[in-house]
Amino acid sequence: GAVVSQHPSRVICKSGTSVKIECRSLDFQATTMFWYRQFPKQSLMLMATSNEGSKATYEQGVEKDKFLINHASLTLSTLTVTSAHPEDSSFYICSARARRDNKQFFGPGTRLTVL
Amino acid sequence: AQTVTQSQPEMSVQEAETVTLSCTYDTSESDYYLFWYKQPPSRQMILVIRQEAYKQQNATENRFSVNFQKAAKSFSLKISDSQLGDAAMYFCAYTKRAPNSGGSNYKLTFGKGTLLTVNP
Repeated sequence: GAVVSQHPSRVICKSGTSVKIECRSLDFQATTMFWYRQFPKQSLMLMATSNEGSKATYEQGVEKDKFLINHASLTLSTLTVTSAHPEDSSFYICSARARRDNKQFFGPGTRLTVL
Repeated sequence: AQTVTQSQPEMSVQEAETVTLSCTYDTSESDYYLFWYKQPPSRQMILVIRQEAYKQQNATENRFSVNFQKAAKSFSLKISDSQLGDAAMYFCAYTKRAPNSGGSNYKLTFGKGTLLTVNP
């Protein structure tokens, strides 16, 4: 099966610091990766779509300077939350679309808490 | 714009019984995919079932089956012989069909979800 990993699974940081979350497709190549944010008891909200080697496409209302996305290779994408504030506390989920069959697989998520 | 509507915020079912979760969607496309994802308390999103719009036959995966009504833009999920492990949030989702298998930016549009409780 196709596995997507995320690291870290949980992170607590102080307000004003930056946090990097990694998303890896472990056994397949992913030309497209997606980053979502999910608030408690709500649906997934797409933040941005990234393609390997090119700039991410951000959804309306998502600050690209706040949420930096780098899709450096066919198996790795990173989301950096810059100058984090308590309102950035949330559950962040990445997803990778497999090149071979266009199926989309999800990572286990990262819980970010900003104090 | 595509929209996905799940009209049941919460549902409950007795263990071993059958439950149906509703989903409707709106699109002007003729070729697309529909999905049901399960999100248990661990919050890992798990694909339950996928339906290709051009296929008339309803998709089935063991105890999970769908009733796909393309004209009505309806895509319900039936869970038979419900088990305690089926308790989760269920999301219906839609995406356009990519033109080829070389990768696509096509986004998943999710419904708001239905929280399923399974009573022992």
